[in-house]
Amino acid sequence: DTEVTQTPKHLVMGMTNKKSLKCEQHMGHRAMYWYKQKAKKPPELMFVYSYEKLSINESVPSRFSPECPNSSLLNLHLHALQPEDSALYLCASSFERGQYNEQFFGPGTRLTVL
Amino acid sequence: AQTVTQSQPEMSVQEAETVTLSCTYDTSESDYYLFWYKQPPSRQMILVIRQEAYKQQNATENRFSVNFQKAAKSFSLKISDSQLGDAAMYFCAYGGGSQGNLIFGKGTKLSVKP
Repeated sequence: DTEVTQTPKHLVMGMTNKKSLKCEQHMGHRAMYWYKQKAKKPPELMFVYSYEKLSINESVPSRFSPECPNSSLLNLHLHALQPEDSALYLCASSFERGQYNEQFFGPGTRLTVL
Repeated sequence: AQTVTQSQPEMSVQEAETVTLSCTYDTSESDYYLFWYKQPPSRQMILVIRQEAYKQQNATENRFSVNFQKAAKSFSLKISDSQLGDAAMYFCAYGGGSQGNLIFGKGTKLSVKP
């Protein structure tokens, strides 16, 4: 299995809602990433988990809360989002952190905040 | 800090022809990786090709090849025998440093004309 899966594919939420994005991989990778991608822009790194521990938080607002329950699963909890948070949220994984490791991307969750 | 520059926001190629996408980068590191990722419209980002900086030989994957000029910090992607399915956004990415985070260029949108 060389796949990163993400659910849901689409999500529409109001500014007062709480929702979660889910990412899963079964490749035995120990590094997992969350990216935010606006239309026609490159992905922007949000969080990095290495061996289930948060390694990087790129100054992301606290309304985004990541969680890594186990080595295969990565969640992104959303609360009190703003319309400007509407974007494609990509999950990726790699065998380990470091430049020698190719990142595999999931299909993304397209989020719309009303 | 490392930077990646893709100077061609959009490119167009006739089916079966060859096209070259440009990428330059800036780094003070000697050991790093370079990647080209492809993101078709509303589809998953996938790795097209990767190049290790310590290898002088240019990487090749079927119809895709790179021209890696380390001294000039240039990493262009050549697509031969272009197909309609090659139409996508192409991102050049740098992977380096102990953290190995990917640094993306702004992308080049490639259109393929039948």
